[in-house]
Amino acid sequence: DAGVIQSPRHEVTEMGQEVTLRCKPISGHDYLFWYRQTMMRGLELLIYFNNNVPIDDSGMPEDRFSAKMPNASFSTLKIQPSEPRDSAVYFCASSFRASLGTQYFGPGTRLLVL
Amino acid sequence: KNQVEQSPQSLIILEGKNCTLQCNYTVSPFSNLRWYKQDTGRGPVSLTIMTFSENTKSNGRYTATLDADTKQSSLHITASQLSDSASYICVVSPPINTGTASKLTFGTGTRLQVTL
Repeated sequence: DAGVIQSPRHEVTEMGQEVTLRCKPISGHDYLFWYRQTMMRGLELLIYFNNNVPIDDSGMPEDRFSAKMPNASFSTLKIQPSEPRDSAVYFCASSFRASLGTQYFGPGTRLLVL
Repeated sequence: KNQVEQSPQSLIILEGKNCTLQCNYTVSPFSNLRWYKQDTGRGPVSLTIMTFSENTKSNGRYTATLDADTKQSSLHITASQLSDSASYICVVSPPINTGTASKLTFGTGTRLQVTL
């Protein structure tokens, strides 16, 4: 398996623009997680899905953030409109049997909002 | 206050030396504690997972210990290599029956640099 795949790897955009981050989890995994990592706050869980259904989105910072998982092999995290404070590395991770299973992280998308 | 605190924040050691990283947590109860290694520019990779009833878990040159009474965990790296240079993150998972088992609490990490 190729592991968790994220795209794009890097994104530079201007404030106010819409940003869409994409994730393909490992085949067979039933949990998918979106994280944000910054120097100041470390890793933060934004939202996670179980069997394509959003379970907890309490970590989503604002209404500007939204996430979808239309099927078991694809998820998106959208920021609209983007702001400079959204600049961070966004990770997608997947696992089987969430609390007992290892979460496998993707390479991340480094987002810079100017 | 962060529920998972790690020390030191950063550490520099010579290749071949051993080192120990510390993790103190207040998340209670919990189902498991994990150590992740994160290389620069990459996503975290799991090193060990320990349930609350386990005291130690090894993965090659990495050995994690857990003291549930004092709420402390440590990660010991033996005979360090240049490739061990990375951030090491301690992560605690709440109990399964709380319905929040997937909401991991992350420490801010220890940045380790191994030099010649």
